[in-house]
Amino acid sequence: DVKVTQSSRYLVKRTGEKVFLECVQDMDHENMFWYRQDPGLGLRLIYFSYDVKMKEKGDIPEGYSVSREKKERFSLILESASTNQTSMYLCASSSGLADYNEQFFGPGTRLTVL
Amino acid sequence: GQNIDQPTEMTATEGAIVQINCTYQTSGFNGLFWYQQHAGEAPTFLSYNVLDGLEEKGRFSSFLSRSKGYSYLLLKELQMKDSASYLCAVMDSNYQLIWGAGTKLIIKP
Repeated sequence: DVKVTQSSRYLVKRTGEKVFLECVQDMDHENMFWYRQDPGLGLRLIYFSYDVKMKEKGDIPEGYSVSREKKERFSLILESASTNQTSMYLCASSSGLADYNEQFFGPGTRLTVL
Repeated sequence: GQNIDQPTEMTATEGAIVQINCTYQTSGFNGLFWYQQHAGEAPTFLSYNVLDGLEEKGRFSSFLSRSKGYSYLLLKELQMKDSASYLCAVMDSNYQLIWGAGTKLIIKP
């Protein structure tokens, strides 16, 4: 059974703190993605990666960075958390070889920045 | 700009049929996805359309018209467990997914 796991379901941080969100997939997928999901908005892509040590900016990369040192792990870093980064963060992965690149999602991390 | 439109909320009755529409304007088209997302959970894949026409999968069907920039998800024999948000997403020319805001479907007994 395919699986994407995220390090925390709920997280509360203070403004200015450095925050690490981790995502691990066990499907040997090449592609990994970080989204944020806010009420009334579609999923917005923050960063994605097509290979180890490779990263590409999505639509809203400002205030975030990522790291992909191993194929199965993709980390999202908030360098200095701000209240407008309070959101649901979803990690996803997909195979680079699939016909239509269905994305498999983790359970999400609900981050609150106070 | 790129845009995906779908209704914010719909209500239907258990046992009935409901159609959720999605219209899109994107730079290029490499397929349209429908995902289901229960409250507090991850989105899960329902269907993929890349050619015009209807794809049927059990109680769920998805239709695509590329010339009209239009798709719908049809849910038959509605069950209470179908209460969820339904997300429409289009893969653009860069193979990136552009997501709609989702349609919250409320099923009443």
